[in-house]
Amino acid sequence: EIVLTQSPDFQSVTPKEKVTITCRASQSIGSSLHWYQQKPDQSPKLLIKYASQSFSGVPSRFSGSGSGTEFTLTINSLEAEDAATYYCHQTTSLPWTFGQGSKVEIK
Amino acid sequence: EEQLVESGGGLVQPGGSLRLSCAAPDFIFTGSWMSWVRQAPGKGLEWVANIQQDGSEKYYVDSVKGRFTISRDNAKNSLYLQMSSLREEDTAVYYCARGGGIEAPKNFDYWGQGTLVTVSS
Repeated sequence: EIVLTQSPDFQSVTPKEKVTITCRASQSIGSSLHWYQQKPDQSPKLLIKYASQSFSGVPSRFSGSGSGTEFTLTINSLEAEDAATYYCHQTTSLPWTFGQGSKVEIK
Repeated sequence: EEQLVESGGGLVQPGGSLRLSCAAPDFIFTGSWMSWVRQAPGKGLEWVANIQQDGSEKYYVDSVKGRFTISRDNAKNSLYLQMSSLREEDTAVYYCARGGGIEAPKNFDYWGQGTLVTVSS
C-alpha cells in the first residue's frame, strides 16, 4: 500500500499570504496525485488532478506541482473562504490512498 | 450543489447489515467508474470500493473484503453498497463519488453529501 504523508498537519495563516502543503509518497507514483478541499460539514471537492491540472471552476490561486514522490499544493493569496482541510490522493496502485489531511485556519 | 444523493445510513448493531444507495443523474453515472469513500468521525478519507461501468470489475480495500459488496443498476443510475458483519470501526460517513477507476480519469470529480453509518450496541 502506498502511504501519503502530508505536511504540515495544521497551519494558521493571514489572508493574502501564500500557503504551501506538501504530500510525500512512500514510492514513486508518477503524476497520479490529486488534491481535494473539504470544508467543515461538507463533502470533499476536487481542486487539482494529476498533480498540476486545475479542475473546472477552481479559482486560479490554487495550483499543484510535483511528480514521483513529492508534490505541492499552493494557494496564492489566501482568502477567508479557503479555510478547510486539504487532502492528497494517489491512484497509481490499489488500494487508492489519501494523505492524513492538512488543516488551514485563517488568522 | 451535490448531484449524487446517498441514502440508507443509520444505527446498526455490531454484526448487523445495512445497504447504502446512491442516486446519480445520467450525465454523471453513465459510462463512469463509481466508488464509495468513507470518513470516520474526525478522521481522514478512506477509499472503500469501486465498480466498473458495466459492473464486471470491482475492487475493495482489504478491511472490507468479504463483508461489503458494491453493485450498480445502470437502468436506475444507482450505486449500492451492501455492508454485512459490521464492526464498530466501520462507523463513518460514506460518500458516493464518481471516478476512482483503474482507467483514467481516476480522480473523484463528483461527490455526494454523505450518509452516516453508526455501528454501536
